[in-house]
Amino acid sequence: AQTVTQSQPEMSVQEAETVTLSCTYDTSENNYYLFWYKQPPSRQMILVIRQEAYKQQNATENRFSVNFQKAAKSFSLKISDSQLGDTAMYFCAFMKRRLGGGSNYKLTFGKGTLLTVNP
Amino acid sequence: DAGVTQSPTHLIKTRGQQVTLRCSPKSGHDTVSWYQQALGQGPQFIFQYYEEEERQRGNFPDRFSGHQFPNYSSELNVNALLLGDSALYLCASSWRLAAGSTYEQYFGPGTRLTVT
Repeated sequence: AQTVTQSQPEMSVQEAETVTLSCTYDTSENNYYLFWYKQPPSRQMILVIRQEAYKQQNATENRFSVNFQKAAKSFSLKISDSQLGDTAMYFCAFMKRRLGGGSNYKLTFGKGTLLTVNP
Repeated sequence: DAGVTQSPTHLIKTRGQQVTLRCSPKSGHDTVSWYQQALGQGPQFIFQYYEEEERQRGNFPDRFSGHQFPNYSSELNVNALLLGDSALYLCASSWRLAAGSTYEQYFGPGTRLTVT
């Protein structure tokens, strides 16, 4: 079974600054995906960024980037130029990669980090 | 392009009652997964449906059951409600693609269930 750990229950950052959210995971799998999801007060879970474990290059999506350390089983999220709209719960999630056709495996989530961006 | 929709938005039930939650997947998606998110916690996987059958199941009792219809929409049923079933229930849809796809899951806004 996989486990995902987010050790920072809450974090805060000033608008326009950079913040890094931490995530570690435990798995015996070699093929998998890692995700960061954002859940604002509206409750809608939104995908922020995705990393395939077989790719060495860290994923980047505009102001969001990850630091993926496969050997250390670490997957942190960096948010640059923080904006007020980034205020939300952030969840790190793990999913095994299905090598053949078929449905996706389940997502395993961490407990989340509440990020507050202050003006 | 309609996203994932869920109904109702909020629901209040009494212990021992039964509840049905509904989910319509994103257009083009054929797989629906259900998650339970207790207050202050990350979502926990309940089960997944495609081709109208339960394909994967998490660590939830048989009181939790589901159904998928030919149009890919899905229902989550919970019998004999307990206070501990109070949570946000999230539905996620995806497309069962061929090998090499990313299998992204798109979430609905959730149904907030309160059991009193």
